[in-house]
Amino acid sequence: RKEVEQDPGPFNVPEGATVAFNCTYSNSASQSFFWYRQDCRKEPKLLMSVYSSGNEDGRFTAQLNRASQYISLLIRDSKLSDSATYLCVGVYSGGGADGLTFGKGTHLIIQP
Amino acid sequence: NAGVMQNPRHLVRRRGQEARLRCSPMKGHSHVYWYRQLPEEGLKFMVYLQKENIIDESGMPKERFSAEFPKEGPSILRIQQVVRGDSAAYFCASSPLERIPGELFFGEGSRLTVL
Repeated sequence: RKEVEQDPGPFNVPEGATVAFNCTYSNSASQSFFWYRQDCRKEPKLLMSVYSSGNEDGRFTAQLNRASQYISLLIRDSKLSDSATYLCVGVYSGGGADGLTFGKGTHLIIQP
Repeated sequence: NAGVMQNPRHLVRRRGQEARLRCSPMKGHSHVYWYRQLPEEGLKFMVYLQKENIIDESGMPKERFSAEFPKEGPSILRIQQVVRGDSAAYFCASSPLERIPGELFFGEGSRLTVL
C-alpha cells in the first residue's frame, strides 16, 4: 500500500508559465509534509515545508488539504532552472527514520 | 563546505564482491540515514543510526546488508556478495540532535554498479 503518491509526469511547461502538481497521501495520521527537489543524478534537497495554512516562498507556494488528503506545489513564472524532479514527503509516527515516506517524484521540464 | 560527504561517488563491483559505502554527516549532526534509489524509483529508507546505535533498520534487507556508525569515523553501509539488483544510488542523509522530522540534509550519493 503506497503511502504517498505522485503523478510521475513529465510535465512539459513553457518558460514563464504557472505549473501546479499534487501529491496524495493515504495515511491520515501523517503529521507534516515537505517538498524536496532532486536534479538529475543529484541528491534531494529540501525545498519547503507544507503547513495547513499554506507556505509561500518567492515563486513557490505549497498547500495542504487535510480533508482531501493531498498537498500541492505551485510554481509561478517558471524558470528553466526549475526543471527537476519534485519529491513529496510525508511524516507520520510509527514509520522508519522518523516516519518519512518519499513519493517517487514528479518530473518537471521547463521549455524555452 | 561542511556538508554531508559520501565516498566513493561511483563504485563498480563484480557479482559476489563486497561494497563499502562511507558517509560523514554534517558537522554537528548526530543522526545518519541511508536511502536507496533505483532508476525511476523513489527513495527507499534503509537504516537510521546514531553514534554506536542502530535506531531503525526496518528497511534493510535481511541478508548481505549491514550498517554501522562508530564512535569515531564515518558511517559505513556494507553490502556483501553483491548481485546485479544491488545496482543503485545510495544516499546518506544527516540531521542534528534536535531535529525537525522531515528535514534531512543529503550527501551527493554513491552510485553502485554491479557487473
